[in-house]
Amino acid sequence: NAGVTQTPKFQVLKTGQSMTLQCAQDMNHNSMYWYRQDPGMGLRLIYYSASEGTTDKGEVPNGYNVSRLNKREFSLRLESAAPSQTSVYFCASGTEAFFGQGTRLTVV
Amino acid sequence: GEDVEQSLFLSVREGDSSVINCTYTDSSSTYLYWYKQEPGAGLQLLTYIFSNMDMKQDQRLTVLLNKKDKHLSLRIADTQTGDSAIYFCAESYTGGFKTIFGAGTRLFVKA
Repeated sequence: NAGVTQTPKFQVLKTGQSMTLQCAQDMNHNSMYWYRQDPGMGLRLIYYSASEGTTDKGEVPNGYNVSRLNKREFSLRLESAAPSQTSVYFCASGTEAFFGQGTRLTVV
Repeated sequence: GEDVEQSLFLSVREGDSSVINCTYTDSSSTYLYWYKQEPGAGLQLLTYIFSNMDMKQDQRLTVLLNKKDKHLSLRIADTQTGDSAIYFCAESYTGGFKTIFGAGTRLFVKA
């Protein structure tokens, strides 16, 4: 009964490094999302995928890329990490947005 | 544009009722949600209401919607220390893929 699984849970990067955040869901949802959560700002949508094979920009897409590998998996890539990307990242799936546990990313 | 606003903090005594308020701007919103986030965890969907409803009750939770004023509230009856968390209000609309979240209300429950 996993729901939405994100990896890793924690990560520290140096400025300029790249990494990919992984997300998988086992609820057969068409839509998947990536959000970032910053103190006092709620959640902001980075990218979303309405269905397998499609991706669209959200509110704050700059500095990120995504891949909808298949119906289950939706990954978020930081090509050249910046300190402004220090945040907690959440993956979600489905219309009602079932959330993963989050990835706490620090860029130094 | 789309916006969801909430007060940032609420403090109540254990056993009292808590009322968390939210206002939204998108009149085309179809679904309005309440999520709960405990420390170190993701958001958990608590309840939701369709925009054609005025009220929804689910055990200790009561959601009230005033569509004219674009005001949504979440009432938690008999608040317990385990209810201490951040509560997010959110809106979305039919056919849309963007759920707009408020900044969250941090609920403190004093024993």
